[in-house]
Amino acid sequence: DTAVSQTPKYLVTQMGNDKSIKCEQNLGHDTMYWYKQDSKKFLKIMFSYNNKELIINETVPNRFSPKSPDKAHLNLHINSLELGDSAVYFCASSQDGGRLKLFYEQYFGPGTRLTVT
Amino acid sequence: AQSVTQLGSHVSVSEGALVLLRCNYSSSVPPYLFWYVQYPNQGLQLLLKYTSAATLVKGINGFEAEFKKSETSFHLTKPSAHMSDAAEYFCAVSKNTGNQFYFGTGTSLTVIP
Repeated sequence: DTAVSQTPKYLVTQMGNDKSIKCEQNLGHDTMYWYKQDSKKFLKIMFSYNNKELIINETVPNRFSPKSPDKAHLNLHINSLELGDSAVYFCASSQDGGRLKLFYEQYFGPGTRLTVT
Repeated sequence: AQSVTQLGSHVSVSEGALVLLRCNYSSSVPPYLFWYVQYPNQGLQLLLKYTSAATLVKGINGFEAEFKKSETSFHLTKPSAHMSDAAEYFCAVSKNTGNQFYFGTGTSLTVIP
């Protein structure tokens, strides 16, 4: 059973197109994330959702819009794709820290390699 | 503010030799610290984590890391490198609220036969 899954694994598209990446987790976690990994392997958080509510929104162009239909899903929609959007996008999930603010590790999906031509 | 610095973007070791990957953190409060491994074309997998319990943390695949507050370090070690250890390794620190991670820039480990 895959804990965090992403589709598609590879996505090749032209500039200006609109595309979506889907993410699902079957771990029962409350919090989900999207990260962008650039060509130098640098990982940067983009968004975080807790119980379908946006809690982290880093400096990301508003062409990127996350959508969480339920706790188990966090999809990433990208409008008007640009060459600089080419990267590997990772979805992740974790348990919520709760009132005790305990920190739980994040579980990552296999990544979606987006290539914009 | 929290951040991590990984010294050495590329590390090469011989098979059977000691692996040492360095991570230093800056944090205004006691942090939670993590090491993740990324094999080629795969997602990140948790190796180990420090959450203010024992300072020496043992992880999977024979890796361990020691939290040293005086040095603000959390270096990753393995006594004997195996070919299968070749991968990208990321150190991460978290805020103790909000579940937000800050990743280091990664260290690529090459194991020479």
